[in-house]
Amino acid sequence: EIVMTQSPATLSVSPGERATLSCRASQSVSINLAWYQQKPGQGPRLLIYGASTRATGVPARFSGSGSGTEFTLTISSLQSEDFAVYYCQQYNKGGTFGQGTKVEIK
Amino acid sequence: EVQLVESGGVVVQPGGSLRLSCAASGFTFDDYTMHWVRQAPGKGLEWVSLISWDGSRTYYADSVKGRFTISRDNSKNSLYLQMNSLRPEDTALYYCAKDQDPTGTVTYFDYWGQGTLVTVSS
Repeated sequence: EIVMTQSPATLSVSPGERATLSCRASQSVSINLAWYQQKPGQGPRLLIYGASTRATGVPARFSGSGSGTEFTLTISSLQSEDFAVYYCQQYNKGGTFGQGTKVEIK
Repeated sequence: EVQLVESGGVVVQPGGSLRLSCAASGFTFDDYTMHWVRQAPGKGLEWVSLISWDGSRTYYADSVKGRFTISRDNSKNSLYLQMNSLRPEDTALYYCAKDQDPTGTVTYFDYWGQGTLVTVSS
């Protein structure tokens, strides 16, 4: 099984600042990686697929990068609605998720 | 608008059985692979099972293999999960999720429901 490791577990950021979230795979997943946002009481929402392609309706402040084993989700200027938990998921072989990064208000 | 609405979650005793349902609307249901993904309280996401567009291919996580059965009724735009021999570690919020692919592999999940809570406890 491919293990996905996200860091940090919690990221404290002020509104308007940039947030950088990391995701590492235990073996190469090419660009078969997705990012999701989850708010309390809601199901996850797809943000990014193919490591860098924004899903429909996702604001341009969200961007994804990376390939192989190292991936990054960047939120260029945090808005109040962006404070949430973010998960990465590989789909190169099966589908496994990272443990999540909580983005909280500093 | 795509909607996925799960139902059927309850409190059940260890060893018991339960059937979850997911009602889909807003897209051509029989064009896509569908999944169940679960989230234990305060924990991360765990993929559970998938079924291809026509039901011919099904796959399960090792943690549920032999105990859970996924099925679908395309005439009713509905997805199901039959859960047998339930264990306390199956306690979780169970999400129905739509894949963007029809063929019965795991890719990414472009729509999710709100989840239904299954609690396994005596």
